[in-house]
Amino acid sequence: QSALTQPPSASGSPGQSVAISCTGTSSDVGAYNYVSWYQQHPGKVPKLLMYEVSKRPSGVPDRFSGSKSGNTASLTVSGLQAEDEADYYCNSYAGSNNYVFGGGTKVTVL
Amino acid sequence: EVQLVESGGGLVQPGGSLRLSCAASGFTFSYYWMSWARQAPGKGLDWVAHIKADGYEKSYVDSVKGRFTISRDNAKSSLYLQMNSLRAEDTAVYYCVRGGQPGGFDYWGQGALVTVSS
Repeated sequence: QSALTQPPSASGSPGQSVAISCTGTSSDVGAYNYVSWYQQHPGKVPKLLMYEVSKRPSGVPDRFSGSKSGNTASLTVSGLQAEDEADYYCNSYAGSNNYVFGGGTKVTVL
Repeated sequence: EVQLVESGGGLVQPGGSLRLSCAASGFTFSYYWMSWARQAPGKGLDWVAHIKADGYEKSYVDSVKGRFTISRDNAKSSLYLQMNSLRAEDTAVYYCVRGGQPGGFDYWGQGALVTVSS
């Protein structure tokens, strides 16, 4: 049950794209297409952004996209906006009804 | 509107116990798996425990196994977390969360702060 690995920070200018990686193992990210992503603004509750690797819940802009290759999943934010400045966390199913989060990535809009 | 409202947080001494409750509304509680997640001050999210819709399957992160117990009362649309033998490292905001795979954790409560300190 080791945490998934995310870069501590990422940044981009308004309108640019930023990609956040989430690296796990063949027992979690690599084994299941059950990777989800969460956005958390300071002092706020986490919000589901993506589930099953690349599916967006209703209301999430299509500027947000997800993908996975092997043991690494990625979240891409295109057309970066000021309100995208937040912490982002990945999560993966790890079998036997267990889950694991990533350490989080702080996205800064320059 | 889906609502998850936690209660029962507070200050407790190391080795003490606390029981968190989560009142759910706005959806058919008995249909959904539920979880507890936590976030230590200034730190990232951690998944803590998960319980099947009917309450018969439960799972825990290794660090709380044998100390925490997740349970639910579908008749009361309520989720619980009994926390025993609390340690300083259990200090965190505890979130009641709906869902899991495959649809992700789609609704989160506002959280209950648990502080373990002497």
